[in-house]
Amino acid sequence: EIVMTQSPATLSVSPGERATLSCRASQSVSSNLAWYQQKPGQAPRLLIYGASTRATGIPARFSGSGSGTEFTLTISSLQSEDFAIYYCQQYNNWPGFGQGTRLEIK
Amino acid sequence: QVHLGQSGAEVKKPGASVKVSCKASGYTFTNYYMHWVRQAPGQGLEWMGIINPSGGSTSYAQKFQGRVTMTRDTSTSTVYMELSSLRSEDTAVYYCARGPAVTRILDVWGKGTTVTVSS
Repeated sequence: EIVMTQSPATLSVSPGERATLSCRASQSVSSNLAWYQQKPGQAPRLLIYGASTRATGIPARFSGSGSGTEFTLTISSLQSEDFAIYYCQQYNNWPGFGQGTRLEIK
Repeated sequence: QVHLGQSGAEVKKPGASVKVSCKASGYTFTNYYMHWVRQAPGQGLEWMGIINPSGGSTSYAQKFQGRVTMTRDTSTSTVYMELSSLRSEDTAVYYCARGPAVTRILDVWGKGTTVTVSS
């Protein structure tokens, strides 16, 4: 089983600033990595797949990078609607999710 | 537009079974796999399994083997997830999510079905 570990658990950032979220896999998942955003009371939404490809309709301020075991989601200039929980998911094997990073307003 | 419509909230007693439905619309039902993911209160996302609506083949996470059954009805573009021998730890929101056949990303999600297990 591939274990996904996200850090930090909580990230406090001011609107307009940059946020950097990390995700580490216990073994290589190549570029088979996706990021999801979840707001309270809502289903998750696909942001990034293939480690760096934005899903349809996702703003350019969201970017993903990495391969193998180390991945990063960057939000370049935080908007109020970006404060949420973010999950990474590997799909090199059957899907497995990280435990999430809560992005909160500083 | 693509939409996954899930059945309503359920309250079950320990030991019972629950069957959640997910009706797909806005795309060719048999061209995409369907995943089930659950989320316990205040917790993260947990993948339960996948069904191929075209042939009905399934794969389940080891944790749920023997307790979960995923089926589909192509005439109504609906998939079902049945979980048996319910216990309090199964209290969660259950999501269906569409997945392209060539990858295992989850590109469209239903709104979720709350299942509460309580005596």
